[in-house]
Amino acid sequence: KAGVTQTPRYLIKTRGQQVTLSCSPISGHRSVSWYQQTPGQGLQFLFEYFSETQRNKGNFPGRFSGRQFSNSRSEMNVSTLELGDSALYLCASSSGTGGQETQYFGPGTRLLVL
Amino acid sequence: TQLLEQSPQFLSIQEGENLTVYCNSSSVFSSLQWYRQEPGEGPVLLVTVVTGGEVKKLKRLTFQFGDARKDSSLHITAAQPGDTGLYLCAGAPLGTYKYIFGTGTRLKVLA
Repeated sequence: KAGVTQTPRYLIKTRGQQVTLSCSPISGHRSVSWYQQTPGQGLQFLFEYFSETQRNKGNFPGRFSGRQFSNSRSEMNVSTLELGDSALYLCASSSGTGGQETQYFGPGTRLLVL
Repeated sequence: TQLLEQSPQFLSIQEGENLTVYCNSSSVFSSLQWYRQEPGEGPVLLVTVVTGGEVKKLKRLTFQFGDARKDSSLHITAAQPGDTGLYLCAGAPLGTYKYIFGTGTRLKVLA
């Protein structure tokens, strides 16, 4: 079974721009979660989608948004980028039926905001 | 606030030494996962522990789930430089849909 894939792997943007990241979950997985990881804050939960609906949300500003498609693929969007948005963005998928299933991670997208 | 506290935060040891990493919470978990992450990559699942008191072995790594399912430990025997990385425990507290991660333990094994 193919693992979780994320595109692009690396991205450089400037302040004020917006960015869209993509995640394809493991086949059959219906839950996709997004995380931001920085050296100072560790892994921070952004949001989780299950069957095209946002099921959980972390404490991030409205500039961070996401969506999930009918094939379970997910995208996250960050608008009006700030320097502090530079981070590794990780996507994880799980079967998601009960909310407590093991999560499997993609390789991440490293975003650098200049 | 439901937290998973890991200790120690940082560990630097010589090749061949043993070590133990702890993951503690006040919440009960139906299962806990352990991941290892290398710089610039996503966390890779090492093991899932499900039953209170369960012990699982993965080569030189031994994982234990506490009897009350509130804590877990990871013991590495004869550490090697290839064990270097960030170790994370994670799980969803019973009754929640929120998957949380431990604070992480950064291990460096020197040759």
